[in-house]
Amino acid sequence: EAQVTQNPRYLITVTGKKLTVTCSQNMNHEYMSWYRQDPGLGLRQIYYSMNVEVTDKGDVPEGYKVSRKEKRNFPLILESPSPNQTSLYFCASSLFSGVGGYTFGSGTRLTVV
Amino acid sequence: DAKTTQPPSMDCAEGRAANLPCNHSTISGNEYVYWYRQIHSQGPQYIIHGLKNNETNEMASLIITEDRKSSTLILPHATLRDTAVYYCIVRVAGSNTGKLIFGQGTTLQVKP
Repeated sequence: EAQVTQNPRYLITVTGKKLTVTCSQNMNHEYMSWYRQDPGLGLRQIYYSMNVEVTDKGDVPEGYKVSRKEKRNFPLILESPSPNQTSLYFCASSLFSGVGGYTFGSGTRLTVV
Repeated sequence: DAKTTQPPSMDCAEGRAANLPCNHSTISGNEYVYWYRQIHSQGPQYIIHGLKNNETNEMASLIITEDRKSSTLILPHATLRDTAVYYCIVRVAGSNTGKLIFGQGTTLQVKP
C-alpha cells in the first residue's frame, strides 16, 4: 500500500533530550516535507526537501533539523526540544514539488515537558 | 499563492450531497485549486484538484466557475465518515517550496 509512515505516533519527552521523528515513504517520491499543526495556527511548513541531499527551510524551521540521505526517508530531528515544540507533526510527500496531491503521514503527537 | 475564503462550518444530512464552496477571487491563471480534508487530527487527505475544467474522481467532484474566482467541492452522497475539516488551497504548479497554505477550512458535520 502506498503510504507515508511516521514514528512514533505519540511521544512525551523532557526539555533538552534529543529526539528524532522518522518519516518514510514507499512511493519513490522526490519531494518530502514536514509540517506542524497547532490550535489557531493551522499547519505550518517546517522543512522541505526537493530530492536527496537537498533540503531547505520552511516557515518555522527554528529548533529543528532534517536530513535526506536517501529518497525514502526524511527524519525530523529536535536536538534540544523545548515546550513550545509541543505540537502535532505531519510528514508529507509527493512525486515532485507542487505537482499533484500530497500524501500525508498519520501524524506524531509530541509533548515536551 | 492566492488567498481562499471558506465558510467556517456546514451541516449535511447523511446520504445527501455536500456542496462546499470556496472563494478565490485573486487566483492567477497558473494556479490550481486543491482540496484536502482532515478527519479529527489525522493526516490531511488529498481529495481532488483542478485548473479550469470540472474534475471528478472516486471521492468527489470539483466545479470551478468560468472566471475561476470560486469553486465548489461536491461529495455526492455524504456519509458520517465524511465529517471532517475541508481545506481549499490555491497554488502554483511546480512551486519552489511546495508549501501548502492551509487556512481555517470548513468543518463539515454529516448528520444521521
